[in-house]
Amino acid sequence: AQTVTQSQPEMSVQEAETVTLSCTYDTSENNYYLFWYKQPPSRQMILVIRQEAYKQQNATENRFSVNFQKAAKSFSLKISDSQLGDTAMYFCAFVDNAGNNRKLIWGLGTSLAVNP
Amino acid sequence: DTAVSQTPKYLVTQMGNDKSIKCEQNLGHDTMYWYKQDSKKFLKIMFSYNNKELIINETVPNRFSPKSPDKAHLNLHINSLELGDSAVYFCASSMTSGGYTQYFGPGTRLTVL
Repeated sequence: AQTVTQSQPEMSVQEAETVTLSCTYDTSENNYYLFWYKQPPSRQMILVIRQEAYKQQNATENRFSVNFQKAAKSFSLKISDSQLGDTAMYFCAFVDNAGNNRKLIWGLGTSLAVNP
Repeated sequence: DTAVSQTPKYLVTQMGNDKSIKCEQNLGHDTMYWYKQDSKKFLKIMFSYNNKELIINETVPNRFSPKSPDKAHLNLHINSLELGDSAVYFCASSMTSGGYTQYFGPGTRLTVL
């Protein structure tokens, strides 16, 4: 069965520092997509970053970057220069290219608190 | 312009009532979803439609019935509401050719008293 594991239920970081959120997944597929979503207290689900498995280059979006290790099935999110507005629940998710139900497999989330 | 919209954003109702939540997307996507997020923040897929065809139908009570009148709309009707139905319900959409990236609506907080 395909699974996504986020081993850190809660994390905290000081403003302006760097924090890394971990995510591992399990699949037998070769073509798939990985995502990080952010859910701030406003409850809106916001796409942070996306990675295609066939791309070796790690995706980056401003202060957000990933460390994608395909062989290890690891997809960690690094937040640089943390800001108070980064306080949120972060979800890692995965979808494969096989089949046609387009079902995202979700992790349980990591609650990140950015402290002033 | 709002990409994925849901109405209402808040819904408070009595046990046993029937209610509907509406979802619309203006992104031109071909697939739409309903999720339930419980108090522990776990996201559970309920249904998905692709071009108005049901493609995901998870283990959900029969009291929940989705309806997709067209590709841009996916509504959720809930009969005989129970206390355990209290949750946040999210609508999302994606495009098959877009790598399945899902875009979410603002959520509907349903409270059953």
